[in-house]
Amino acid sequence: QLQLQESGPGLVKPSETLSLTCTVSGGSITNSYYYWDWIRQPPGKGLEWIGTIYYSGSTYYNPSLKSRVTLSVDTSKNQFSLKLNSVTAADTAVYYCARRDVRGVNFQPWGQGTLVTVSS
Amino acid sequence: EVVLTQSPGTLSLFPGERATLSCRASQSVGDNLAWYQQKPGQAPRLLIYDASNRATGIPARFSGSGSGTDFTLTISSLEPEDFAVYYCQQRTNWAFTFGPGTKVDVK
Repeated sequence: QLQLQESGPGLVKPSETLSLTCTVSGGSITNSYYYWDWIRQPPGKGLEWIGTIYYSGSTYYNPSLKSRVTLSVDTSKNQFSLKLNSVTAADTAVYYCARRDVRGVNFQPWGQGTLVTVSS
Repeated sequence: EVVLTQSPGTLSLFPGERATLSCRASQSVGDNLAWYQQKPGQAPRLLIYDASNRATGIPARFSGSGSGTDFTLTISSLEPEDFAVYYCQQRTNWAFTFGPGTKVDVK
C-alpha cells in the first residue's frame, strides 16, 4: 500500500525558506502513471494547491505562489521536495503531499500532513 | 482561475437524515470534479472522483452527480462517522482549486 510522509522543520522564521520533503513508500516515484503534488491548509481554513512534479522533473505551480516555489524530485531516494522562499505568517499551514493520476483530477493518497509555523 | 462555491456553509442534521451538499463552478469543468471528506486532525479522504465515481472503499451511501458547473454530493443516511467537513475540488488544465468546504454537524 502506497504511503507518503512529510518531513521538515516545524518552525521557520519570516523571510526565510520553508523546506519540506515527502518520502514515498510502497511504490516507486518513477511510476509513469502518477504526478506528485503539494497542498497546504492554513489552520482553520481551506485547502490550497501549491504545485505538482513528475518523476522526470517537469513542474507546474499555482500562479499565486509560482514566484516563491520550487519543487524537485530525488528518484534515488524515492522523495520529492518543496521549497517556499520569503515566507511570512500567511504561509503558516499544514502542508500535505499527495499523489495524482496523470489522467485524473483527484489526489489520492495523501500524507498525514505537517504543520509549519512561520514566526520569529 | 476557476472558483468553486459550496453551499451551505454548515449543514446541521440528525443521524439517519439525508445530506445534500452543493458545489458550483465559476465556469464549466466538465466532469473534472472530486469530493473529499476531512475530519479534525486528519488529511482529506477522497470520496468521489470524475463527479460521480466512488473511490475504493467508500460506502454506497455516498453519491455524486452533476457536470459542467453544478455538482451535488449526497449522503443518503448519515452515520455518526459522517459528521465532518466536505470539500469539492476541480482541475482545469494545470490549475487545481478547492471549494471553501461544507461542515456537516450534528443537530
